[in-house]
Amino acid sequence: AQTVTQSQPEMSVQEAETVTLSCTYDTSESDYYLFWYKQPPSRQMILVIRQEAYKQQNATENRFSVNFQKAAKSFSLKISDSQLGDAAMYFCAYRPYYTGANSKLTFGKGITLSVRP
Amino acid sequence: GAVVSQHPSRVICKSGTSVKIECRSLDFQATTMFWYRQFPKQSLMLMATSNEGSKATYEQGVEKDKFLINHASLTLSTLTVTSAHPEDSSFYICSAPRGRANTEAFFGQGTRLTVV
Repeated sequence: AQTVTQSQPEMSVQEAETVTLSCTYDTSESDYYLFWYKQPPSRQMILVIRQEAYKQQNATENRFSVNFQKAAKSFSLKISDSQLGDAAMYFCAYRPYYTGANSKLTFGKGITLSVRP
Repeated sequence: GAVVSQHPSRVICKSGTSVKIECRSLDFQATTMFWYRQFPKQSLMLMATSNEGSKATYEQGVEKDKFLINHASLTLSTLTVTSAHPEDSSFYICSAPRGRANTEAFFGQGTRLTVV
């Protein structure tokens, strides 16, 4: 079974600074997807970034980028130029490559990020 | 705008009554939807996979008779909490996969259920 581990329950960053959120996972599959989701106080889940395992290039979305290390099964999220609106709970998630009823996500425990003004 | 709509956003019910939560995909068809439960400051726990036109698949430890799931159309799945008790109070979230190879999951706004 796949597992996703986020070992840091909380982190804090100064506004405009950079922060990295860690995530490791375990799977026997070679093809899969990895995601970072943001859940602000409204509790609406928002997709931050997605990485396909078969792609070597790290995904980037504006201020958000990942460091995907497939051999190490590591998938960290870097937030540059942190903003107050980045304060939220962040979840790392894994999904198998195949679709249909087995396309369910496995989530990590999440990390609460606070941004200091 | 939202592509998955979940209603109601908040509901308070009395112990022993049933509550229905709806999850709609707004501009796409979803043959599969997922129902999660989330406690404060914790992760999402998958309860069941809702399949259009067939029975839902429940995760281990989830009572199928308490949490009834119906996926009667390609755009609507419902979760009914039957004979609710205070311990059923929680935040419930639905999601539906979309896009090429269903790689992107869209989430509803969630429903905060309080059983008094």
